[in-house]
Amino acid sequence: EDQVTQSPEALRLQEGESSSLNCSYTVSGLRGLFWYRQDPGKGPEFLFTLYSAGEEKEKERLKATLTKKESFLHITAPKPEDSATYLCAVSGTGGFKTIFGAGTRLFVKA
Amino acid sequence: NAGVTQTPKFQVLKTGQSMTLQCAQDMNHEYMSWYRQDPGMGLRLIHYSVGAGITDQGEVPNGYNVSRSTTEDFPLRLLSAAPSQTSVYFCASTRAREETQYFGPGTRLLVL
Repeated sequence: EDQVTQSPEALRLQEGESSSLNCSYTVSGLRGLFWYRQDPGKGPEFLFTLYSAGEEKEKERLKATLTKKESFLHITAPKPEDSATYLCAVSGTGGFKTIFGAGTRLFVKA
Repeated sequence: NAGVTQTPKFQVLKTGQSMTLQCAQDMNHEYMSWYRQDPGMGLRLIHYSVGAGITDQGEVPNGYNVSRSTTEDFPLRLLSAAPSQTSVYFCASTRAREETQYFGPGTRLLVL
């Protein structure tokens, strides 16, 4: 069964304190691994798609990496505006469905 | 482009009432999906459509109906609301053969 587990559930950082969010997954034939950002009261917003182990993508202070079992979202020198819930999701070759993790709530304090 | 729009933003229903959650997109995307989001759980797929006239069930379809008569619209119907359907509902659209999903702002539903 396809599954996505994110850790930690919540993460509190000081501004400038770098850290990483983890996404562990099991899927039959990875078609893509996705990271989304969700602000309170809003819909998820796309950040990255990773397709194969070893792939990395960057956007501003965020960098996503992928192995065969997990993905990391590295946040370098975060700012308060990076506070949000970060969702990880996978799609497999078994069909249309995308499986989402429960998310990591990130709080960055000035 | 307005992207993906959803109405209403918030709704309170009594058990047994019916209602339709509206979703529209102006990006000419072939694929559309409905998800529900509950505390501590990931987004769960309710129903999806790969084109006008084609719909299929997702992970949690019971209690919900959908139809897709046009490319732009994908309404979600609750025939007889139950307290277990209290949730936040998100509609999403995707271009065919791509993976990026574009989400609407959500509808918060409370069933008493």
